[in-house]
Amino acid sequence: DQQVKQNSPSLSVQEGRISILNCDYTNSMFDYFLWYKKYPAEGPTFLISISSIKDKNEDGRFTVFLNKSAKHLSLHIVPSQPGDSAVYFCAASPTLNAGNNRKLIWGLGTSLAVNP
Amino acid sequence: KAGVTQTPRYLIKTRGQQVTLSCSPISGHRSVSWYQQTPGQGLQFLFEYFSETQRNKGNFPGRFSGRQFSNSRSEMNVSTLELGDSALYLCASSRESTWSGDGYTFGSGTRLTVV
Repeated sequence: DQQVKQNSPSLSVQEGRISILNCDYTNSMFDYFLWYKKYPAEGPTFLISISSIKDKNEDGRFTVFLNKSAKHLSLHIVPSQPGDSAVYFCAASPTLNAGNNRKLIWGLGTSLAVNP
Repeated sequence: KAGVTQTPRYLIKTRGQQVTLSCSPISGHRSVSWYQQTPGQGLQFLFEYFSETQRNKGNFPGRFSGRQFSNSRSEMNVSTLELGDSALYLCASSRESTWSGDGYTFGSGTRLTVV
């Protein structure tokens, strides 16, 4: 049973437009969320994170929004660039200092294609 | 600084064989986690090691095991390989004090194919 769901396996966007990647979670104990980006033949790289005490976190062209009541988060990329074409993973974790519960739970990823 | 190094990059094994994968973390990182990535299941957590001790374990059968050495390098072993073990195996290292997910640095992975 997927506790972190990325319902869109793929997304195609024109260069310069906004990319919106969505992620839903089911476990109310999750309170820390991350987005990773993965290029082919490479490991995932950290992009941006948000804790449950916030509803928005921004880093340059990347903004993550968190709606706790809906158990939903989204990643906005504005403006989208061809180099952003990659697979984006959403991951979630319970409380930072949860002792043994330190593992991240990952979504299946969304493949983003930004067309020139 | 050098990143997380995983060896080998590619491996082909026969059903029933066993395999050992290696991961060298970033210098100074004491925590190493292993993940299995498959198209249908995404990234599945295998286990995490810190200071040579397994600190956390995912829901994988006992055929999957690992260890960590005093220099923080880690190995994972899969015995009695099955076709379904074909996957990309990713290793991630982090400094204990900065774990919050964003402290993870991943290697490029080992692509294991079981035939």
